[in-house]
Amino acid sequence: EVQLVESGGGLVQPGGSLRLSCVASGFTFSRYAMYWVRQAPGKGLEFLSAISNNGGITSYANSVKDRFTISRDNSKNTLYLQMGSLRSEDMAVYYCAGESFDYWGQGMLVTVSS
Amino acid sequence: QSALTQPASVSGSPGQSITISCTGTSSDVGSYNFVSWYQQHPGKAPKLMIYEVTKRPSGISTRFSGSKSGNTASLTISGLQAEDEADYHCSSYAGSSTYVFGTGTKVIVL
Repeated sequence: EVQLVESGGGLVQPGGSLRLSCVASGFTFSRYAMYWVRQAPGKGLEFLSAISNNGGITSYANSVKDRFTISRDNSKNTLYLQMGSLRSEDMAVYYCAGESFDYWGQGMLVTVSS
Repeated sequence: QSALTQPASVSGSPGQSITISCTGTSSDVGSYNFVSWYQQHPGKAPKLMIYEVTKRPSGISTRFSGSKSGNTASLTISGLQAEDEADYHCSSYAGSSTYVFGTGTKVIVL
């Protein structure tokens, strides 16, 4: 069974940093590109970042470029999102996804508030 | 990187067919046959329903079908059932390894 389990979310102050993790199981993690997507309360989905199977190619939405960094450790079947300079508008449920968005994690809430 | 435009809500009675539109630009929907559709029930993760405009993943009902014309993609749900009531999101490849999602549509089964 495919599983993506996210962790690292929670409450952070404006301007602060947070690192999200996503541990994959049930499929060959190193074969697939992976993604981060978020959903603000009551809003649609927003693509944030993508990383190729070997980590050599990364991409970002303009809204998070230069603030967020995606990475992966294929030896640990783990995807990361390092988030910095967090703003109130970054508050959302964050999902990791893989295999052309066929696999999704359960999502985790990131709250940005003082 | 503007969001694709979807109607806020679409409704239909059980057994009817409904169609949800997803309008982008010549830089995303119009340029690539990489449009996907997702179903999302409240408090749950999205579920892939259609990929590459018309393809269904294994296990997805044939009641769900996709199409595209120009800068607009569409998802049709035929034989509407109560369990189809959910939010539906489209996405498109937008070049340079980036994607864009739609604004989301709430499907209401009357």
